[in-house]
Parts: sequence; structure tokens; C-alpha cells
Amino acid sequence: NAGVTQTPKFQVLKTGQSMTLQCAQDMNHNSMYWYRQDPGMGLRLIYYSASEGTTDKGEVPNGYNVSRLNKREFSLRLESAAPSQTSVYFCASSKFIGGDPGELFFGEGSRLTVL
Amino acid sequence: KQEVTQIPAALSVPEGENLVLNCSFTDSAIYNLQWFRQDPGKGLTSLLLIQSSQREQTSGRLNASLDKSSGRSTLYIAASQPGDSATYLCAVTSGNTPLVFGKGTRLSVIA
Repeated sequence: NAGVTQTPKFQVLKTGQSMTLQCAQDMNHNSMYWYRQDPGMGLRLIYYSASEGTTDKGEVPNGYNVSRLNKREFSLRLESAAPSQTSVYFCASSKFIGGDPGELFFGEGSRLTVL
Repeated sequence: KQEVTQIPAALSVPEGENLVLNCSFTDSAIYNLQWFRQDPGKGLTSLLLIQSSQREQTSGRLNASLDKSSGRSTLYIAASQPGDSATYLCAVTSGNTPLVFGKGTRLSVIA
């Protein structure tokens, strides 16, 4: 029962470096999401993809790009990492957005430190 | 813009006590409300999903209620155990936007 799988689980970057967080789900869900979680800030939505071929900005999209590679995979890219992007990143998926989206399922998280 | 508030931010109780966690939301036009559990260093696990047409959902020692008109939900945990120690988050779905989360309540159950 894989559910939502994120890689890598841990990463340390230097300021200015780039990297891509990978996410895949095996539940045939249409919608996928990237959140970041910071102490005292809760979970904040970075980007989401309502369905294959579409992406939309969330609450905190600056400094990030996303790609919905296919129905299963949704990647998050940091083009030029900054210390403010040190956080725990969570990928999630659901049947769809709007109406009755069903349950939201989360990956285990990717812990990113930018020095 | 939907906002979700959880009170208290942290709670410490002795083992065996019944407890209530609170969640409030500003826009009552929701489709559903979901309660999650998060253990330290881990992802979020869905506990209960309440549709907007429902008043409550139960799973084992957990009972979640929803009062959509007043913008409130409660998560009731019966006979708490040390294994219940975790952060509990609620989130709501409204319109065509993804879930909006509260900041969570950090629960400690002391043996």
C-alpha cells in the first residue's frame, strides 16, 4: 500500500542551488498538492494540480515551479534555493478538487535545509 | 477567504481522561471537514471525514461533530492513552479550492 511517495526524504542545499522534489501516487487520484509546513505557520499550499495538465498557484508560490508529469506524478522545483525555503514539504492527493473531493492523503514529507 | 482556527494550541492531560479539541472556520459554505493526526517527524494521517450534510462521524474512541451553521467542529477523544499524543489538525474544503488547514492542537497524554 504505497499511497503517496515522496523523494528525497532529506536534503541539504546551499543558497542558490536548485533541486526537484518528486511525488507519485498510486490511488488514481486526479488532484495533487504541494504544501510546506513551518513552525507556527501551519500547512501552507504552494501549488496544486486539479487534474492532469493543469497547475495553479496556492498561498505561497514564489520561488517554486511545478510540473504535473502525468496523472501519477507531480514534482516541485526550487530554481535558486534560499534559506527561507528551509521547511518540511508535503505532497498530497485527492480524488478531485471541489464538490466532494474525498479524503486527502499525504506523503511522509521531505525535509529541506538551505544553508 | 476561508480561515481555520484551532483552540487550544497545546493540551496536556492525564491518561484516561476524555478530551475535546476545537476547530472553527469562517465560511460556513463547506463541502467537508477532515481531521488529521500528525506524529513528530511524520506525515499527516486522516482520522475522520465529515461531509457537510453530516452531523458527526465516529471511529473507535474518536468522535467528530460538525455544526456548519456556527462554523465549528469538535474532535472528542474518549479514554485518552499515551499513544494518542500527537498534533491534531482540522481542514475544510469549500468552493473549488484545496483544503485549508488550521495550525493544529498539540496533545500530550501523560501516563
